[in-house]
Amino acid sequence: AQTVTQSQPEMSVQEAETVTLSCTYDTSESDYYLFWYKQPPSRQMILVIRQEAYKQQNATENRFSVNFQKAAKSFSLKISDSQLGDAAMYFCAYRSAFNNAGNMLTFGGGTRLMVKP
Amino acid sequence: NAGVTQTPKFQVLKTGQSMTLQCAQDMNHNSMYWYRQDPGMGLRLIYYSASEGTTDKGEVPNGYNVSRLNKREFSLRLESAAPSQTSVYFCASSVGTSGADTQYFGPGTRLTVL
Repeated sequence: AQTVTQSQPEMSVQEAETVTLSCTYDTSESDYYLFWYKQPPSRQMILVIRQEAYKQQNATENRFSVNFQKAAKSFSLKISDSQLGDAAMYFCAYRSAFNNAGNMLTFGGGTRLMVKP
Repeated sequence: NAGVTQTPKFQVLKTGQSMTLQCAQDMNHNSMYWYRQDPGMGLRLIYYSASEGTTDKGEVPNGYNVSRLNKREFSLRLESAAPSQTSVYFCASSVGTSGADTQYFGPGTRLTVL
């Protein structure tokens, strides 16, 4: 079974600065997808960014980018020019490329990001 | 454009009571999912429906039943609620069950079982 680990329960960043959230995962599969979801106080789960394991290029979405290291099974999220609205819980998630168990998402325990004005 | 909607938003039950959580999506997605989120943890899959007319167990199915009423609606039923089922429940949907298909989540239902 796959596992996802987020080793930082809480992080804080000054507004306008850059912060990196860490995620590692364990899998024996060669093809899979990795995700970062944001969960603000409203509880809504919002997809931030997605990475396909067979793509070497790191995904980027505006101020959000990832550092995907397949050999090291590491998938960190970098938030540039942090804004107050970025304050939330961030979850790293894994999904197999193979159709098993509905291709459920396996989530890490989350990192709470605080943004200081 | 509602996306994925869930009712109710909050619910308090006594041990042994039953209830049904409702979920609907308007994105014409084939696949739907129920997850639970316990305090300080990520989401875990309870049940999923790959397509209309099919349902399957996920990681933590005990104590729950589901019904895929039609393509739009997927309900989760607790027959005899227990305090261990106190959690936030999320419904999600996706085009299919391919790993490439993004799952879109509803706003969640906070359930407390006393």
